[in-house]
Amino acid sequence: DTEVTQTPKHLVMGMTNKKSLKCEQHMGHRAMYWYKQKAKKPPELMFVYSYEKLSINESVPSRFSPECPNSSLLNLHLHALQPEDSALYLCASSQEAAGSYEQYFGPGTRLTVT
Amino acid sequence: GQSLEQPSEVTAVEGAIVQINCTYQTSGFYGLSWYQQHDGGAPTFLSYNALDGLEETGRFSSFLSRSDSYGYLLLQELQMKDSASYFCAVRDSGNQGGKLIFGQGTELSVKP
Repeated sequence: DTEVTQTPKHLVMGMTNKKSLKCEQHMGHRAMYWYKQKAKKPPELMFVYSYEKLSINESVPSRFSPECPNSSLLNLHLHALQPEDSALYLCASSQEAAGSYEQYFGPGTRLTVT
Repeated sequence: GQSLEQPSEVTAVEGAIVQINCTYQTSGFYGLSWYQQHDGGAPTFLSYNALDGLEETGRFSSFLSRSDSYGYLLLQELQMKDSASYFCAVRDSGNQGGKLIFGQGTELSVKP
């Protein structure tokens, strides 16, 4: 299984809502990532988990809260988002080292904040 | 800091060969990766060069010159399905070693 799955595929939420994005991989990868991507731009790193511990937070606003319940799962909890947070949110994993040159990306969750 | 530069757009015809260049500035260097992303899809790893030279994988090849801080992705026998964005990427060498830095991306359009 060489797949990273993400749910939901699409999400529309109001600025007062609370929602969660989910990511799962069963490749035994020890590093997992959240990226944000705007149209026509590269993926922008948000968080890195290495061996289930948060190793990098790229100064992301606290309205985004990551969680890694176990080595296969990664969640991103969303609360009080702004319209400018509308983007494609990508989860990725890599075999061992965080920042590995070979990362496997999920299909993403397209988030619209109204 | 680290930065990567690549052309924003490239257009080519089916069956042709196209080269997408990437120049980088880094304080340390571990290697250059390439990713492909179709519109609405996820980035997909294509190749990685840690040492100078050419790496070939089917119709795609990737080249690195560490002395010139330069690499390229070569796509041969272009097909319509190769229309996508291509990103070069390097690993951050500072204390944020867990971070992959992406270039701004090159949008490749393959015309019939």
